[in-house]
Amino acid sequence: GESVGLHLPTLSVQEGDNSIINCAYSNSASDYFIWYKQESGKGPQFIIDIRSNMDKRQGQRVTVLLNKTVKHLSLQIAATQPGDSAVYFCAENGPDYKLSFGAGTTVTVRA
Amino acid sequence: EPEVTQTPSHQVTQMGQEVILRCVPISNHLYFYWYRQILGQKVEFLVSFYNNEISEKSEIFDDQFSVERPDGSNFTLKIRSTKLEDSAMYFCASRDSAKGEQYFGPGTRLTVT
Repeated sequence: GESVGLHLPTLSVQEGDNSIINCAYSNSASDYFIWYKQESGKGPQFIIDIRSNMDKRQGQRVTVLLNKTVKHLSLQIAATQPGDSAVYFCAENGPDYKLSFGAGTTVTVRA
Repeated sequence: EPEVTQTPSHQVTQMGQEVILRCVPISNHLYFYWYRQILGQKVEFLVSFYNNEISEKSEIFDDQFSVERPDGSNFTLKIRSTKLEDSAMYFCASRDSAKGEQYFGPGTRLTVT
């Protein structure tokens, strides 16, 4: 069965505001998670990853938070821009680094 | 920046026909993957490949599917007898041995009629 999922299928955000995309996972043994961005007609693009020995990791305008107690991770995008409009997937890295993807959240940025 | 490439970008085939989807992974990568994404759904793992053999495959990857690395650069996915439900985007991915990050190609859209 599916072990990784997202809370909301769509998110509409005003340009310049912060976006928060959530993901829940069920396998407590999971130790590595990745966020991917997929623009229309393209393949998934790596955004940021986090290992289970961390609670937070920051990149350029993005932050991933991991709460192992409730098996939840989130992606925060600061100052959302029109180019951030895409589908965002969380993925769990399994044995041999095969990825199990969640269903995706479509982010639409309003001008 | 190195990237994974895939050809063709769109393949239309009739049910029962064989198709071969081609991928050129990043040159120094050692691990290769195929995923598929049915329209509007999540990306699903199909198969992983390392050291010239399959290391893991999903339930989707049945006897109709096969993978091959025929030379030092190409990585192919063959579907022997396509079904309507094989219509999807097929993504190839690769990674090197040092990091877990997988790099995805742009995908091949397979349409089975």
